[in-house]
Amino acid sequence: GAVVSQHPSWVICKSGTSVKIECRSLDFQATTMFWYRQFPKQSLMLMATSNEGSKATYEQGVEKDKFLINHASLTLSTLTVTSAHPEDSSFYICSARGQETYNSPLHFGNGTRLTVT
Amino acid sequence: AQSVTQLGSHVSVSEGALVLLRCNYSSSVPPYLFWYVQYPNQGLQLLLKYTTGATLVKGINGFEAEFKKSETSFHLTKPSAHMSDAAEYFCAVSGSNYQLIWGAGTKLIIKP
Repeated sequence: GAVVSQHPSWVICKSGTSVKIECRSLDFQATTMFWYRQFPKQSLMLMATSNEGSKATYEQGVEKDKFLINHASLTLSTLTVTSAHPEDSSFYICSARGQETYNSPLHFGNGTRLTVT
Repeated sequence: AQSVTQLGSHVSVSEGALVLLRCNYSSSVPPYLFWYVQYPNQGLQLLLKYTTGATLVKGINGFEAEFKKSETSFHLTKPSAHMSDAAEYFCAVSGSNYQLIWGAGTKLIIKP
C-alpha cells in the first residue's frame, strides 16, 4: 500500500531556532499534501494544504510566515517551524493523497513530536 | 457543509466485549466516510471507508461499520475487543475540497 514517510519522528530544539519536518510519499505521487497539528487529547487541526508547485493554502489562524510549507515535488513536502517557541510544541502529522477524488483515502506519516525548550 | 460528531470522548470496554464507537455526520452531498485509528505517538491508519454500494463495510483488525443514511450515522463496531485495540479512533467525512472533516476522536480503553 501507499506509504508516507515523515522525518524526524521527534525533535527537541531551543526557543528561537527553526525546525524542518519532511514528508515523503514513497511509492506514489502526492499531488496534495496536508499538514495537521494535534494538541494533547484533541483532534487533528488542519494547518494547511499544499499542492505541488504552488503556494500552500493556510487555514484561518495559522501564521504562514511562521509555518513555512514547501511542496517542491510530487513526493516531498516540508514544514518549517521558524523561530520556534515553547507554545509550538506539539505533534505534527502530514498526509498525502495521490488522486483527487472524494473517496480516495489519505495516507499519513507517523508524525513528528516537536518539543521547544 | 459537512460536519462529524463522535459521541463520547472516551469509551471503556472489557476485553472480549463488544466495541461500539458512534459517529454521526451531516452532509449536503452523498458522503464518503472514513474511520481512522491512531496509536500513541503515531500517525493515523485507515481502518475502513464507505464510498458507495454495500452499506456494511469491513475493515482491518476485525472492525466494521455500517452506513445508515436515515440515521446519518456510521458507527464502528467490533464483536470482541482485544487489548491491542486500545487507541484513539477518528471518524471523518470527505469535504467538497477533498479535505477530510474530522470528528473529535474517541479514545478506546480496554479493561483486562
